[in-house]
Amino acid sequence: DAKTTQPTSMDCAEGRAANLPCNHSTISGNEYVYWYRQIHSQGPQYIIHGLKNNETNEMASLIITEDRKSSTLILPHATLRDTAVYYCIVKRIERHQFYFGTGTSLTVIP
Amino acid sequence: EPEVTQTPSHQVTQMGQEVILRCVPISNHLYFYWYRQILGQKVEFLVSFYNNEISEKSEIFDDQFSVERPDGSNFTLKIRSTKLEDSAMYFCASSSKTGSSYEQYFGPGTRLTVT
Repeated sequence: DAKTTQPTSMDCAEGRAANLPCNHSTISGNEYVYWYRQIHSQGPQYIIHGLKNNETNEMASLIITEDRKSSTLILPHATLRDTAVYYCIVKRIERHQFYFGTGTSLTVIP
Repeated sequence: EPEVTQTPSHQVTQMGQEVILRCVPISNHLYFYWYRQILGQKVEFLVSFYNNEISEKSEIFDDQFSVERPDGSNFTLKIRSTKLEDSAMYFCASSSKTGSSYEQYFGPGTRLTVT
C-alpha cells in the first residue's frame, strides 16, 4: 500500500473550515484514499473515502487532485468535538489491513 | 445507528494467564478485524476474519493469539499466555463490502493491562 505524508499537527478556529492535507505520491490505480479519526484513545472513526472523484458526506468532504497524488479532507465548520488525530490511509482494494500512521493532530480552538 | 460493541471495557490479568476479549460486530457485516494500540503508539493491525477463516494476519499475530466466531453474533480474540508487552487497547472492527470498498467500523476498545 502507498505511503502517506501528513503534517504532524494543525490548529483551526471553531466554526471555520479545517483543511487537512495528505500526500500520497506513490498511489496506484487500485488504491483508495480513506480518512479516519481517533478522539483520545477511542476507537478509530471512519470519516470518508474515495478513489478519484471528490466525495462529500454528512461529516466531511474529500478533495482528490486529478493526478491522485494528494488529497484534502475538509471539515466545513469545525467544532471543539472535532479535536482528534486524523489519519489519511491509502489501501489497495482487495486488502483488508488498514495501516495507521501517526496522522495529523487537529486542535480546534474556541 | 448500529455500532460495534466490545466487552469488557477494561481487563486486568496476571502475566501468563489467558484472556478472551469479546466483540459484537455490526449485524449484517461479514468481515471482522482486531487491531491493537499500545499506549502512545500507532494503531496496529492484527488479523482479519471472513467466512470462518483468517484472511490476513500481521507478524504480531503469532501462535499466542487466536480468533473465533463461536456463534452468529460474537467475535473473540484469545491471548493464550499473556505477557507484559500485550498491555494495550484492543479494537475490534467490522465491515461489509460496499462496491469494491471495505470501510471498517471500530468498537470502543478493551484496555488490557497485564501485571
